[in-house]
Amino acid sequence: QVQLQESGPGLVKPSQTLSLTCTVSGGSITSGSYYWSWIRQPAGKGLEWIGRTYTSGSTNYNPSLKSRVTISVDTSKNQFSLNLSSVTAADTAVYFCARVCPPVSCHYYYIDVWGKGTTVIVSS
Amino acid sequence: EIVLTQSPGTLSLSPGERATLFCRASQSISGSYLAWYQQKPGQAPRLLMYGASNRATGIPDRFSGSGSGTDFTVTISRLEPEDFAVYYCHQCGSPPWTFGQGTKVEIK
Repeated sequence: QVQLQESGPGLVKPSQTLSLTCTVSGGSITSGSYYWSWIRQPAGKGLEWIGRTYTSGSTNYNPSLKSRVTISVDTSKNQFSLNLSSVTAADTAVYFCARVCPPVSCHYYYIDVWGKGTTVIVSS
Repeated sequence: EIVLTQSPGTLSLSPGERATLFCRASQSISGSYLAWYQQKPGQAPRLLMYGASNRATGIPDRFSGSGSGTDFTVTISRLEPEDFAVYYCHQCGSPPWTFGQGTKVEIK
């Protein structure tokens, strides 16, 4: 059973870059035709999609964050990563990594596996 | 961007009662791209329904989903104590993918 685990600093200073890694265990990141995604949730608020990547390296980002976001994949480490530059307090949130099941694999489109989430606070 | 609007924001019900949650999209989406998630405090969301009406693995049959076009619904036929949570609808059909703002089902 595939599991995801986020890791990275829990505290980032304003204007710096937030960097998180998601480690995939229980299966290869290249098996199947899955997308790999990042989603965040400010405390007490709803979910916001940040972006997704495929193991080929192709990406799609939320336009609201596109100028600051990079999602990349390292198949040799079975990991994918999130970089969010020029952070402010508004980027304080729980960040989730997730596996997305596309129609080519699952007949439907949905997020089937979530990491437990990691809290990132932006503060000096 | 497709905006998903969930209603009501909060549903106050007693165990054993029926709950109906609504999700309206700002434009028509394929039901194949509409999913629902359940989230409890301090936990990651859990897949509840996919393709608008298909229960995820391990989801009891008191949960049902329906809808097409712009209007989608999840019904919990008889609320159990473990069903009190926040529920989100989500569309993967058209980037940027979006979530509804959530419906909180709370104990009355």
